[in-house]
Amino acid sequence: DTEVTQTPKHLVMGMTNKKSLKCEQHMGHRAMYWYKQKAKKPPELMFVYSYEKLSINESVPSRFSPECPNSSLLNLHLHALQPEDSALYLCASSQSLQGFISNQPQHFGDGTRLSIL
Amino acid sequence: DAKTTQPPSMDCAEGRAANLPCNHSTISGNEYVYWYRQIHSQGPQYIIHGLKNNETNEMASLIITEDRKSSTLILPHATLRDTAVYYCIVRVAPRVGNNRKLIWGLGTSLAVNP
Repeated sequence: DTEVTQTPKHLVMGMTNKKSLKCEQHMGHRAMYWYKQKAKKPPELMFVYSYEKLSINESVPSRFSPECPNSSLLNLHLHALQPEDSALYLCASSQSLQGFISNQPQHFGDGTRLSIL
Repeated sequence: DAKTTQPPSMDCAEGRAANLPCNHSTISGNEYVYWYRQIHSQGPQYIIHGLKNNETNEMASLIITEDRKSSTLILPHATLRDTAVYYCIVRVAPRVGNNRKLIWGLGTSLAVNP
């Protein structure tokens, strides 16, 4: 059982829809991450939040909008997505950002499989 | 940035040791090597990490060569549940700021056979 919970597990949406992916962790972690994973590829980092503030944006298109309402929750708002955005979206958390001293591993959820029609 | 190279696939008999190699010949002195695995339909799972010394935990052992250009992940007694994609990852320092990030390899698909 994963300690990072993602909902929904599957999502099908049209290119004009607005939807949100949700991620929740109760491990007291202060860093949370969004990754995108295409089939047979490794995860690609999208966003990193540290203490509820956006720390890293890996040049992600603005049709993806992250939000961290509190230390346990992370959302990814989706709008006007393209078919190439179909992928597995993974959320992860760690005790803190993997900075100069910290080596804490990231804990991943099982992802939301997103299909854009 | 340091990058990793892994064989795309490997087979292992159940109960035997699985030795998964990784080359990271451009790794810098302060960059860690991490291993994660991803079982089908699940998110990645942390296994182990190291810098210079060999490391062991309840899941696996990590052997890093003295020149740090390569490493081997060892699952001492592979079971069917160890069938997964294993990623060798280098944690690199950014050009600006202090926040390290993980550079993922393409992974090795390990099949443990009965």
